[in-house]
Amino acid sequence: GAVVSQHPSWVICKSGTSVKIECRSLDFQATTMFWYRQFPKQSLMLMATSNEGSKATYEQGVEKDKFLINHASLTLSTLTVTSAHPEDSSFYICSAARGPSVNQETQYFGPGTRLLVL
Amino acid sequence: SQQGEEDPQALSIQEGENATMNCSYKTSINNLQWYRQNSGRGLVHLILIRSNEREKHSGRLRVTLDTSKKSSSLLITASRAADTASYFCAPNSGYSTLTFGKGTMLLVSP
Repeated sequence: GAVVSQHPSWVICKSGTSVKIECRSLDFQATTMFWYRQFPKQSLMLMATSNEGSKATYEQGVEKDKFLINHASLTLSTLTVTSAHPEDSSFYICSAARGPSVNQETQYFGPGTRLLVL
Repeated sequence: SQQGEEDPQALSIQEGENATMNCSYKTSINNLQWYRQNSGRGLVHLILIRSNEREKHSGRLRVTLDTSKKSSSLLITASRAADTASYFCAPNSGYSTLTFGKGTMLLVSP
């Protein structure tokens, strides 16, 4: 159990367009979902935390108007990169946790979405 | 949340050898988790050790935790080429977010 999927796995888009990435928990309800970004040869950087039905909490330096997060249900969160630019090219990974904010223990990670903006 | 610091940054061994990587952190924790990331893929949760535990096993993995030294180690025994990956520790102080360091890149050669 505890499988998280992401769609698409790869996306190439033109500069200025918007891209939506979906993150789904397939066999459990995810109260909390997390979005990370990873540049080549670097670690994952947390972008935002989203709780079902409420606004996402963004990490410092992450533009909430550029990276729109919607956690509309207990099994789905979406990340929309608006007006993408080449510097947004990265590996975007989501994770999901069963529990609410404090003391949740394990996050289950999706396989990631590789975004290339031309 | 706090970030763990993995050491060494890179480790190269032969198949069949054991691989040991370490993690240090700064403040008290509820638990510490180890994750693996294969190249270009998401993270896979390996093992969680709670603050009141000193050692935990899972298959070929052995994790130790020394809260007095604020450190943990991950031992992979009888390594295989498929173990080639980056390994991250995530000390969890009870907050919702996990912060990851740069990890240890493990290369296991056939």
